[in-house]
Amino acid sequence: NAGVTQTPKFHILKTGQSMTLQCAQDMNHGYLSWYRQDPGMGLRRIHYSVAAGITDKGEVPDGYNVSRSNTEDFPLRLESAAPSQTSVYFCASSYPVRSGYTFGSGTRLTVV
Amino acid sequence: AQSVTQPDIHITVSEGASLELRCNYSYGATPYLFWYVQSPGQGLQLLLKYFSGDTLVQGIKGFEAEFKRSQSSFNLRKPSVHWSDAAEYFCAVGALVAYSGAGSYQLTFGKGTKLSVIP
Repeated sequence: NAGVTQTPKFHILKTGQSMTLQCAQDMNHGYLSWYRQDPGMGLRRIHYSVAAGITDKGEVPDGYNVSRSNTEDFPLRLESAAPSQTSVYFCASSYPVRSGYTFGSGTRLTVV
Repeated sequence: AQSVTQPDIHITVSEGASLELRCNYSYGATPYLFWYVQSPGQGLQLLLKYFSGDTLVQGIKGFEAEFKRSQSSFNLRKPSVHWSDAAEYFCAVGALVAYSGAGSYQLTFGKGTKLSVIP
């Protein structure tokens, strides 16, 4: 039982390039979300999904797109990367309510 | 919308001393409250959570937290800190997601408190 798997762990991207961060969970959780973590800012929610086919914006959605075609996967796409998107990205899942969040190990992305 | 305030950005304590990390939340309904810990370069680990019932919650690694509704607080405590407790600590409030069916909730985090421990 792997939990939440994020790939890649590290990546360097050039400004203007596109990239997809992968998130996969094997716990049959309905709720998945993407957070970005920046020094002094805590974790801020980018997008989330409550089930396949349903996604919604979080606090900082600009510059990011998501899709949810099945229960397991929730990729995060950067269409045209900017240096301001340099961050550590975490995917998290939850279900049922009292089980708490399960976090992936994170993707450290640098945009140069 | 819900929010979390962690007033202390950085706290330094001596090993063996007691610890209290402050957390205040804003939420219109009964909150779900959490404390997570993050060691450098690592992901987030759940320390403890509060949903209902006893307002004093015990967690892992000897941590506890007390929910005080009148003060909108959920402070984290440990009676005797170990050098391995040096990390960043995040308080979070959970709100149920509408139309989720399964009762999913989403977390809003504070900005974190970095704990340094002096040997």
